[in-house]
Amino acid sequence: DADVTQTPRNRITKTGKRIMLECSQTKGHDRMYWYRQDPGLGLRLIYYSFDVKDINKGEISDGYSVSRQAQAKFSLSLESAIPNQTALYFCATSGQINQPQHFGDGTRLSIL
Amino acid sequence: QKEVEQDPGPLSVPEGAIVSLNCTYSNSAFQYFMWYRQYSRKGPELLMYTYSSGNKEDGRFTAQVDKSSKYISLFIRDSQPSDSATYLCAMRDLSSNTGKLIFGQGTTLQVKP
Repeated sequence: DADVTQTPRNRITKTGKRIMLECSQTKGHDRMYWYRQDPGLGLRLIYYSFDVKDINKGEISDGYSVSRQAQAKFSLSLESAIPNQTALYFCATSGQINQPQHFGDGTRLSIL
Repeated sequence: QKEVEQDPGPLSVPEGAIVSLNCTYSNSAFQYFMWYRQYSRKGPELLMYTYSSGNKEDGRFTAQVDKSSKYISLFIRDSQPSDSATYLCAMRDLSSNTGKLIFGQGTTLQVKP
């Protein structure tokens, strides 16, 4: 089983819909991150959380919200999806702050 | 100017070639350097990481950091078709408490049999 699991793997939806992407991990890590990946732009940080009560905005948080339901679960929501949010979304985890981040296999999201 | 620049390629080489992948950066506070490999429809997978200038070797892979030039490289010896993937460099400022990584755009590598 994967250490970092993202669901769904693929999603196609319409403009204006609310969408939730889920991430769960079995690595026992406190730190969890959400990134989006766009061609030519690499990965950019949306939100990050150091524990259940500590959630922080990344560089591109507008239009997104998150929920840390438990140490192992971190969800990303798009309250009203728009086409330029079409991208690959990745969840990552890390142990101590200076340890490497480990990624899930991503959610491919298309907004029509 | 982006903080981290990486030639997107694509880079195509014959099997057995030595591959050099490179990134330049502008923030002299970056002290932690990583290389990730990403296969199609998969998440980035950590290949190597280093904190210091110089070379770090792991099998066919060598990571090189030159802080004075703000330049990092990943060398792949005896490249194999299974090395075909996108390679992402990433780095961060260790004095920052966010854990935020700054990624290059990724270089797509194809190794032809």
